[in-house]
Amino acid sequence: QSVLTQPPSASGTPGQRVTISCSGSSSSIGSNIVNWYQQLPGTAPKLLIYNNNQRPSGVPDRFSGSKSGTSASLAISGLQSEDEADYYCVTWDDSLRGFVFGTGTKVTAL
Amino acid sequence: EAQLVESGGGLVQPGGSLRLSCAASGFTFSSYSMNWVRQAPGKGLEWVSYISSSSSSIYYTDSVKGRFTISRDNAKNSLYLQMSSLRDEDTAVYYCAKDGPSGSYEFFQHWGQGTLVTVSS
Repeated sequence: QSVLTQPPSASGTPGQRVTISCSGSSSSIGSNIVNWYQQLPGTAPKLLIYNNNQRPSGVPDRFSGSKSGTSASLAISGLQSEDEADYYCVTWDDSLRGFVFGTGTKVTAL
Repeated sequence: EAQLVESGGGLVQPGGSLRLSCAASGFTFSSYSMNWVRQAPGKGLEWVSYISSSSSSIYYTDSVKGRFTISRDNAKNSLYLQMSSLRDEDTAVYYCAKDGPSGSYEFFQHWGQGTLVTVSS
């Protein structure tokens, strides 16, 4: 039921800015807020960004989120080796009447 | 600090049933909505079901409707997922996830460590 499309992978050298896109529809991202989650290898996901662009306490300010129309983006400015993880967007879909996750993006620090 | 501990996973044959539990501590369980999210081996995250704090609102992803039932016992600080008519494609790690305060948009704020369900003959 994944109706949010993300690129399978993204990479950058340490210190670079990396951006991940999340494409949805008018009934999903176009009508609802977007959250982002980080999943480090072998661990449970962690809330990274909520309400499109808000960071929970403890999340470094190098992580930022934005939303425009039916798409959202997560940016990591100043990529660090510990940021190597899978990243997922998620939102509510009014047509499906349920939450939908993005397909996930694996971030690699070169 | 919120803590969520899932249990009840294991090996089950296709067509069988299993009941997952999630024990909550460190917060007022009865005040928060809860969810089940699963992840098949090597795959992405998939939301399974949602239940509001009072159990008045319940939602399921289409693939489990009619087969899975979410419930909670606020007196026991516990969340449950009753799974029946299990299929191979239900094989996954199942996470319980707590939402943030009502209106905060912090859904899936905290996660448990997950419990593995394997459906196989």
